[in-house]
Amino acid sequence: DQQVKQNSPSLSVQEGRISILNCDYTNSMFDYFLWYKKYPAEGPTFLISISSIKDKNEDGRFTVFLNKSAKHLSLHIVPSQPGDSAVYFCAASAWEAAGNKLTFGGGTRVLVKP
Amino acid sequence: DSGVTQTPKHLITATGQRVTLRCSPRSGDLSVYWYQQSLDQGLQFLIQYYNGEERAKGNILERFSAQQFPDLHSELNLSSLELGDSALYFCASSAGQGPGEQYFGPGTRLTVT
Repeated sequence: DQQVKQNSPSLSVQEGRISILNCDYTNSMFDYFLWYKKYPAEGPTFLISISSIKDKNEDGRFTVFLNKSAKHLSLHIVPSQPGDSAVYFCAASAWEAAGNKLTFGGGTRVLVKP
Repeated sequence: DSGVTQTPKHLITATGQRVTLRCSPRSGDLSVYWYQQSLDQGLQFLIQYYNGEERAKGNILERFSAQQFPDLHSELNLSSLELGDSALYFCASSAGQGPGEQYFGPGTRLTVT
């Protein structure tokens, strides 16, 4: 049962254009969402997060949007740069007495073409 | 560099054996998490420790166990290894025990032959 889904396994975008990555979740208890970037042979690198009390969070070129009613979040990267080529994972957590486990989506591979 | 260190980087062992993976969290972080990334399952949460105590458990096999020591480093023990245990094992850390960013180490690649 995949509670967090990234339906696009890959995305190709021209340098300087916008990259839009999407993520859907099913568990209504999720209240904190994160995006990670991963290069081969490295661990995931934290990019940006958003709490369920917000619908938008921005950090430089990265903006995350949350639509709670649709159980959908997206990551916008603008402008896209060649160094952004990586696999992007969305993750979600639910504040519960038993800790802070992250549930990850399957990832979207982004290729930024120069 | 996230500040989380993991050793060893690579590990090759035979079925039935036991291995120990080691993780040192970022300075000041009290929570340590273990995740497994395999080709067919993606990134899966295994277990969380906070300040030496187990806080959350995922789908961790009974053959696997972990602990967090007083200096806050953590070890993940995998025993009676099977071919299907071959995967990348990541450790992450965070300051607290609740929702928030987790910072990942570079991982240990385990190959069971």
